[in-house]
Amino acid sequence: GAVVSQHPSRVICKSGTSVKIECRSLDFQATTMFWYRQFPKQSLMLMATSNEGSKATYEQGVEKDKFLINHASLTLSTLTVTSAHPEDSSFYICSARALGGETQYFGPGTRLLVL
Amino acid sequence: DAKTTQPTSMDCAEGRAANLPCNHSTISGNEYVYWYRQIHSQGPQYIIHGLKNNETNEMASLIITEDRKSSTLILPHATLRDTAVYYCIVRVAGQAGTALIFGKGTTLSVSS
Repeated sequence: GAVVSQHPSRVICKSGTSVKIECRSLDFQATTMFWYRQFPKQSLMLMATSNEGSKATYEQGVEKDKFLINHASLTLSTLTVTSAHPEDSSFYICSARALGGETQYFGPGTRLLVL
Repeated sequence: DAKTTQPTSMDCAEGRAANLPCNHSTISGNEYVYWYRQIHSQGPQYIIHGLKNNETNEMASLIITEDRKSSTLILPHATLRDTAVYYCIVRVAGQAGTALIFGKGTTLSVSS
């Protein structure tokens, strides 16, 4: 199946700093990428849909000024958690769908811990 | 997208078949049934999907009832590495910009 990578796999940062997470589709082009967040013992929650070359669409309750999404190319989307706080600590997972494809592939996730 | 209902948890002995049910009684004609699994601390892994015919690949088989209101994912010979949360999701085909929405899934525990 198609491969989606994320970097970094885990990050620890101080409260108030910003953290950038990269999501790449390695062997296919994706006009649309998705960002999810998962808290312990809970299911994945969709945060936003990222479209190449246009603004992301955020789900209700997700602050667009706090979670900045950039989708500058058909293989790369980034999520920046600005002014991170301990409550932002979570498992962030990106996903992508190939051009013309139906199946959605997921990255390995990035575990963020804000101290 | 239609909602799905799955048991919270299931147990399976190693080497036996694991049959994971999913109810999707409000599924519409253009919605596919997708199965993903998530092993602890990893991203979800695609398993299989289907519309109305039964499907089989190297990982699993998907049996969809004739009325399409329910389906069963079959892992023919479960191993310890199949221990994971399994998600059944229905989604309209042809909507590239629409994300998969996850429910709570079924936690499958495979033991020796």
